[in-house]
Amino acid sequence: ETGVTQSPTHLIKTRGQQVTLRCSSQSGHNTVSWYQQALGQGPQFIFQYYREEENGRGNFPPRFSGLQFPNYSSELNVNALELDDSALYLCASGDQGQRGTQYFGPGTRLLVL
Amino acid sequence: QQQVKQSPQSLIVQKGGISIINCAYENTAFDYFPWYQQFPGKGPALLIAIRPDVSEKKEGRFTISFNKSAKQFSLHIMDSQPGDSATYFCAASHYNQGGKLIFGQGTELSVKP
Repeated sequence: ETGVTQSPTHLIKTRGQQVTLRCSSQSGHNTVSWYQQALGQGPQFIFQYYREEENGRGNFPPRFSGLQFPNYSSELNVNALELDDSALYLCASGDQGQRGTQYFGPGTRLLVL
Repeated sequence: QQQVKQSPQSLIVQKGGISIINCAYENTAFDYFPWYQQFPGKGPALLIAIRPDVSEKKEGRFTISFNKSAKQFSLHIMDSQPGDSATYFCAASHYNQGGKLIFGQGTELSVKP
């Protein structure tokens, strides 16, 4: 059984650019959630996907969007990057039947200059 | 009502001692309370979790104590070891919001040899 994987591990972008982060869910899981973790803070929920549809969203603007694919992998897209978007982006997978239980990947460290 | 408040912000414990981290919540609809351990540069790892129908759950050296009336829960690490040095996050979620975890601010634990 493989765990949650994310790519890339690190990324540097400039303000105004767009970025795509990728996640592969743990085997057997059917939900994927994305979180943003600023330095020294707890993770903040961005959104969750289940059956390829958004299934809940946190207080993030529409320029944060996502996709879930039939194989339960996922993408997080962020448009018009701002300096405050610099953070660790975490993907977590789970089973819709075990709501709440989620397993996190190692994250992608994004730096916006 | 969505907040989870965690204390202390940092904690220093001698090897072999007991580490205690506390969390308080406001939303009585929360029905799942996990604790995560995070090492620098890594994603959060699920340690132990509890649901409000029990007052205590123990797994190895880790114990969650849950007080529903006080809306508080805590993590106890018995026989703390230097390898336990990490940041610990409490979190909460409720059934109707699927995988949305609300995290505390984190506690940086340092176990001295």
